[in-house]
Amino acid sequence: EAGVVQSPRYKIIEKKQPVAFWCNPISGHNTLYWYLQNLGQGPELLIRYENEEAVDDSQLPKDRFSAERLKGVDSTLKIQPAELGDSAVYLCASSLDPRYSRYGYTFGSGTRLTVV
Amino acid sequence: RKEVEQDPGPFNVPEGATVAFNCTYSNSASQSFFWYRQDCRKEPKLLMSVYSSGNEDGRFTAQLNRASQYISLLIRDSKLSDSATYLCVVRTVLNAGNNRKLIWGLGTSLAVNP
Repeated sequence: EAGVVQSPRYKIIEKKQPVAFWCNPISGHNTLYWYLQNLGQGPELLIRYENEEAVDDSQLPKDRFSAERLKGVDSTLKIQPAELGDSAVYLCASSLDPRYSRYGYTFGSGTRLTVV
Repeated sequence: RKEVEQDPGPFNVPEGATVAFNCTYSNSASQSFFWYRQDCRKEPKLLMSVYSSGNEDGRFTAQLNRASQYISLLIRDSKLSDSATYLCVVRTVLNAGNNRKLIWGLGTSLAVNP
């Protein structure tokens, strides 16, 4: 079974440019998460989807970040315009119905963003 | 006080040693607990869930102490391949609805030396 697939693996952009990340969760996982992780830090949740609904986007900087999961399957996270401080690893994860609370998440390999 | 706290380490241990990590959490309403492992420049991967009765998976043992609000991870007979960062994760239900919050610790770094 394929895991969580993310692309691109690496991205280098100049500040003020837009960037987009793509994620395809594990088939059947209706919950999808986008996390940001800085070096030496734990992952920080940006947004959580249940199917196509964003049920927690309280930590998403909405002035420059946006996300969508139109058909409740794959998802795109966008930053426009990117700032130097956005350099980090952006991780996508998916899980089964979170009511089954003993299941953890499966993460994709992440997109390492460098803003120069 | 942080919602989930871990000793960042690093823990440097020789091969074959037993090492234990603790993680404390502040919200008594927390319901689910996990240990994740993250290798350098890799994504976090679920190591094990932590059950109320404690659970064991090979050389790894996880325990939960609800009264003191901490979970622990014990690694016996450490291998070089155990070198990684171990992240404590706590899931809390915020209200009676479908609002859960997953809180990650900063991780504990383990280096197993030959």
